[in-house]
Amino acid sequence: SQTIHQWPATLVQPVGSPLSLECTVEGTSNPNLYWYRQAAGRGLQLLFYSVGIGQISSEVPQNLSASRPQDRQFILSSKKLLLSDSGFYLCAWSRTGNNQPQHFGDGTRLSIL
Amino acid sequence: QKEVEQNSGPLSVPEGAIASLNCTYSDRGSQSFFWYRQYSGKSPELIMFIYSNGDKEDGRFTAQLNKASQYVSLLIRDSQPSDSATYLCAATLTQGGSEKLVFGKGMKLTVNP
Repeated sequence: SQTIHQWPATLVQPVGSPLSLECTVEGTSNPNLYWYRQAAGRGLQLLFYSVGIGQISSEVPQNLSASRPQDRQFILSSKKLLLSDSGFYLCAWSRTGNNQPQHFGDGTRLSIL
Repeated sequence: QKEVEQNSGPLSVPEGAIASLNCTYSDRGSQSFFWYRQYSGKSPELIMFIYSNGDKEDGRFTAQLNKASQYVSLLIRDSQPSDSATYLCAATLTQGGSEKLVFGKGMKLTVNP
């Protein structure tokens, strides 16, 4: 069966510090990978998605970036965090092809001080 | 802007009642629809998906799709306190050859013992 791992579970960072969140998927090959942010009381906002190694599409211009160095590894980064970057960050995967559901990791709750 | 709209609620029902959650979507090209359950502080969990007009039943859950009216619903029969959560509706969106999900903001359901 497929599993998705996301870490850390919680993170408290000062404004202006860098960020690196990692997500890995097991039990499947060539998955589509996604990063979402969910702000308090708001919906899921798609930040980045990837259909393959090195292929990243950005949905929202911001100070975040994503990379996919390996087939089942997806990394969300920032060089300098802003207060507005606080939120619940979720990694998700889906099989390639149409009409595929997405499956979420446990998420990282990020607080910026 | 392609959207998925949900009544933000909250919806409160007594234990054993039927809970009805509704969702509309704006993109007539959407082919697949998903319902996720999100407990407070946790990540979304896929509970139902539907592709064809009509009803789809899985245990106490029934998803209903009406593509002509661009309307999706989720019925939960014999509601239990453990069903108390936020329910997210999602629809597929194809842009630039890639398929993504568009999520509603969610409806909070409380089942009272």
